[in-house]
Amino acid sequence: AQSVTQLGSHVSVSEGALVLLRCNYSSSVPPYLFWYVQYPNQGLQLLLKYTSAATLVKGINGFEAEFKKSETSFHLTKPSAHMSDAAEYFCAVSDPNTGGFKTIFGAGTRLFVKA
Amino acid sequence: GAVVSQHPSRVICKSGTSVKIECRSLDFQATTMFWYRQFPKQSLMLMATSNEGSKATYEQGVEKDKFLINHASLTLSTLTVTSAHPEDSSFYICSARKTGDLGGEQYFGPGTRLTVT
Repeated sequence: AQSVTQLGSHVSVSEGALVLLRCNYSSSVPPYLFWYVQYPNQGLQLLLKYTSAATLVKGINGFEAEFKKSETSFHLTKPSAHMSDAAEYFCAVSDPNTGGFKTIFGAGTRLFVKA
Repeated sequence: GAVVSQHPSRVICKSGTSVKIECRSLDFQATTMFWYRQFPKQSLMLMATSNEGSKATYEQGVEKDKFLINHASLTLSTLTVTSAHPEDSSFYICSARKTGDLGGEQYFGPGTRLTVT
């Protein structure tokens, strides 16, 4: 069975500081990995995804994530936080052997950005 | 492209009544759609997988007679909460996968806030 763990339910950074949101996965095979962002009372928006191509994945809004098989991690980073980045972030995993059919979401990390 | 809509965005109903929520893929075909439930400050809980033209697959613990799912076309899935009770109040989110897409990406609707009084 696959699972994903997000370390830290809340992360607070100052505007302009580095953003680092941690995600570790458990899977018997390299999975498809995703980061989604959710603003209050809205659905989820895809930030980026890893599907066994380049290990460093660049997404929208300046975010990127690096797939590290040895650490079973897929941490999300952004060099400089902006106030508009304040939101809930979800890491998710899918099994490519099923065509990415069912996706398991982490518990989420709420990002706070201080002025 | 890849826009998913949900209707209504917000609904209040009385206990014992039924509520239907629609999920539409506006600019692509979606053989598979998913229904999630999200409690305040929590993650998404997958309720069921909806496949066009066939019965939905429900996750363990989800009552299929209470949460009726119909996926009659490649662009529309509906979730009907039957005999709603206050504990069914929640944020319901649907997502859709593009037919033939093996990349695993889901496109999410904006969600429906259900309040049962």
